[in-house]
Amino acid sequence: GQQVMQIPQYQHVQEGEDFTTYCNSSTTLSNIQWYKQRPGGHPVFLIQLVKSGEVKKQKRLTFQFGEAKKNSSLHITATQTTDVGTYFCAGLRGKLSFGAGTTVTVRA
Amino acid sequence: DSGVTQTPKHLITATGQRVTLRCSPRSGDLSVYWYQQSLDQGLQFLIQYYNGEERAKGNILERFSAQQFPDLHSELNLSSLELGDSALYFCASSVESVNPYEQYFGPGTRLTVT
Repeated sequence: GQQVMQIPQYQHVQEGEDFTTYCNSSTTLSNIQWYKQRPGGHPVFLIQLVKSGEVKKQKRLTFQFGEAKKNSSLHITATQTTDVGTYFCAGLRGKLSFGAGTTVTVRA
Repeated sequence: DSGVTQTPKHLITATGQRVTLRCSPRSGDLSVYWYQQSLDQGLQFLIQYYNGEERAKGNILERFSAQQFPDLHSELNLSSLELGDSALYFCASSVESVNPYEQYFGPGTRLTVT
């Protein structure tokens, strides 16, 4: 069945540094969504990517959908303590499948 | 506040028991999704309802069942509970069915089975 894999599982970042988390699917996706879950909170929708090669930016966050619509990435620049949390990608092919998430911690 | 409500917030029960979790979607949303989140399993999709009808099934056990009522609220029933069922259960809602746009998650119900 459809699987969405995320790497890395954990990301420890120094405040001010950049990092990237990746999402890979075994099958071509209709679209991909990204969610953020703060510690103790619930997932919150960040963005949806639909087109092949699409790139969208939200302030310090850059989201990209691969040309083959099988992978996606989230790049965060100048990491802040407010970026702490778990970032999930969710790929849609018939139904939405969530990756296991990348849990981000920030060293001040 | 996402507009999705879930009750109860916490639930502690014993093995073998049955519980019901309740979810009210955002006003106007017809789709309701249920997810299970445990430490070692991530966010697992259980089941989706759209306007009262089951639309998609994920990794939902036979001991679990759900329904969506005419007023669009949904209930997830968990029976013959096992220790491994301890988890955070989220409900989410969206407007669409076939192509869900953003899903709005509720605050979750934390279930502890002892």
